[in-house]
Amino acid sequence: EVQLVESGGDLVQPGGSLRLSCATSGFTFSSYSLNWVRQTPGKGLEWISYITPSGVTMYKADSVKGRFTISRDNTKNSLYLQMNNLRDEDTAVYYCAKETPGEFWFESWGQGTLVTVSS
Amino acid sequence: EIVLTQSPATLSFSPGERATLSCRASQSISTDLAWYQQKPGQAPRLLISDAYNRATGTPARFSGSGSGTDFTLTISSLEPEDFALYHCQQRSQWPRTFGGGTKVEIK
Repeated sequence: EVQLVESGGDLVQPGGSLRLSCATSGFTFSSYSLNWVRQTPGKGLEWISYITPSGVTMYKADSVKGRFTISRDNTKNSLYLQMNNLRDEDTAVYYCAKETPGEFWFESWGQGTLVTVSS
Repeated sequence: EIVLTQSPATLSFSPGERATLSCRASQSISTDLAWYQQKPGQAPRLLISDAYNRATGTPARFSGSGSGTDFTLTISSLEPEDFALYHCQQRSQWPRTFGGGTKVEIK
């Protein structure tokens, strides 16, 4: 069974930093592209960042460029999101999502971790 | 950036009724569209990909149609478990974008 479990969400002050993790199991981690997607309270979904199986290629949304960095450790079957210079508008539930190979759909999701940015 | 518009934000139906949800893209995206279902407190679940392909485990009462800029998700006969939030998403261009969602509620 495919499992993705996010952790690391917390209450943080504006300007602060946080590192999210996504531990996975049930599939060959090193073969899949992965993403971070967030959902603001009561609002829609926003794709944040993408990383290829090897970790060589990454894309980010403009809203997080220069502040967030996606990475992965294929030896630990884990995905990460380093978030720096956090803003109030970054408050959201953050999901890691596994892609359908070669098709770029989000076929499996974690349960999410809540990040709250507030003073 | 491709903007996806889902309107209205909320639709009300009785169980057994047919529901039609709309998603409109700001430019042509061929059939590069997916639909996701999300229940309260849960992550989204992929329902339909490539505009009309049901994902594994998606009941046959769900169908997708459309191409270019206009897309539709149809639920032929609403079951109690279908009352949820539905999102559309495009993969045609970076950044991947989602619509604002349509909530299907019980009338």
